Amino acid sequence: QVQLVESGGGVVQPGRSLRLSCAASGFTFGSYALHWVRQTPGKGLEWVALISFDGSNKYYADSVKGRFTISRDNSKNTLYLQMNSLRAEDTAVYYCAKSCGSYCLDYWGQGTLVTVSS
Amino acid sequence: EIVMTQSPATLSVSPGERATLSCRASQSVSSNLAWYQQKPGQAPRLLIYGASARATGVPDRFSGTGSGTEFTLTISSLQSEDFAVYYCQQYNNWPPLTFGGGTKVEIK
Repeated sequence: QVQLVESGGGVVQPGRSLRLSCAASGFTFGSYALHWVRQTPGKGLEWVALISFDGSNKYYADSVKGRFTISRDNSKNTLYLQMNSLRAEDTAVYYCAKSCGSYCLDYWGQGTLVTVSS
Repeated sequence: EIVMTQSPATLSVSPGERATLSCRASQSVSSNLAWYQQKPGQAPRLLIYGASARATGVPDRFSGTGSGTEFTLTISSLQSEDFAVYYCQQYNNWPPLTFGGGTKVEIK
């Protein structure tokens, strides 16, 4: 069965960096686009970034553009999110998600909490 | 950016009753609309994609209709496990992919 397991969250000071990972199994990893989506505690969902199946195309929300970088290693079945210049408003649970063929999100990880605080 | 607006914010329904949730897009998204269910402490779960197709394993009491800018998720007879927050999401015009603010279905 499809499994997505995020790791790397934690407490970080404003302006610092953090890298999230998402280990995938149960599907042909290199055939699907992947996403990061975040959810502020008690609030709704915000799409963060998308990477194409082969990593050649990447897209970002305006709120993270220039600070976050999405990447993938198809040999390790792993998705990454490098987050630089973190701000308090980046505090959220970060989910990785597998794309349907047409960019709905058919499988999600359990999420990892990132807290940006001094 | 396409703005997705869900209504109502909270829906109080008795078990066994029908629930009707609405989602409106600020411009046409064709049928590129998904619905998700989220329970406390859990990740969202895909229910409906393509506005009306049920995802794998989703009970047939869940149905989606609509196209263009107006969409509806109907739960025909609410079960205890259906009390949750429901989100719509458009994937027609991106980036960004956008979600609605959610509808909480609570026990009346």
